[in-house]
Amino acid sequence: DAKTTQPPSMDCAEGRAANLPCNHSTISGNEYVYWYRQIHSQGPQYIIHGLKNNETNEMASLIITEDRKSSTLILPHATLRDTAVYYCIVRVSRSGGYQKVTFGTGTKLQVIP
Amino acid sequence: DGGITQSPKYLFRKEGQNVTLSCEQNLNHDAMYWYRQDPGQGLRLIYYSQIVNDFQKGDIAEGYSVSREKKESFPLTVTSAQKNPTAFYLCATLWADTQYFGPGTRLTVL
Repeated sequence: DAKTTQPPSMDCAEGRAANLPCNHSTISGNEYVYWYRQIHSQGPQYIIHGLKNNETNEMASLIITEDRKSSTLILPHATLRDTAVYYCIVRVSRSGGYQKVTFGTGTKLQVIP
Repeated sequence: DGGITQSPKYLFRKEGQNVTLSCEQNLNHDAMYWYRQDPGQGLRLIYYSQIVNDFQKGDIAEGYSVSREKKESFPLTVTSAQKNPTAFYLCATLWADTQYFGPGTRLTVL
């Protein structure tokens, strides 16, 4: 699975959009970009994933560059409850097969009142 | 209410005692996983099971054991052979190529 690079920390004002970047320059054609977040002392929460098209769900939007070497997770209106560590991971989809999630160090997002 | 439950949230044990961590899911997912997370570190895979009555060792299985007698349940036993058992333990399921995690159990061995 390709390696990802994320900034260690970011601040965002409450109510504003939080844009979390992720670089994955070695991504290969069959690898998906996944985003999870982990609030302190809780289990990781799945947010969104995509292959090459931009994706949106009730939690966030995922923008993947055309060359797929980087992506941005957008939380449109950040709240204090969005304060967490955000993990970007890249991995091959192995339908029906063994899967392992490997988290890097992630980005610690602090939403400020 | 569907989901993954892990109990208890906090667990304390004396050194040398075995302890079993519970993981239950009502999502009807076939595959289940156990991870360990240490402060400032990522996840490390302990065991996984793709179907009932079958499970495989992950990257750090030594000192741990599991069973998968029912689809809904995948308990993890931390044995006295595990050298550094104090950690945050996470159970997960897999559906449509996405892993979903339980709330975790924080085990402290005194």
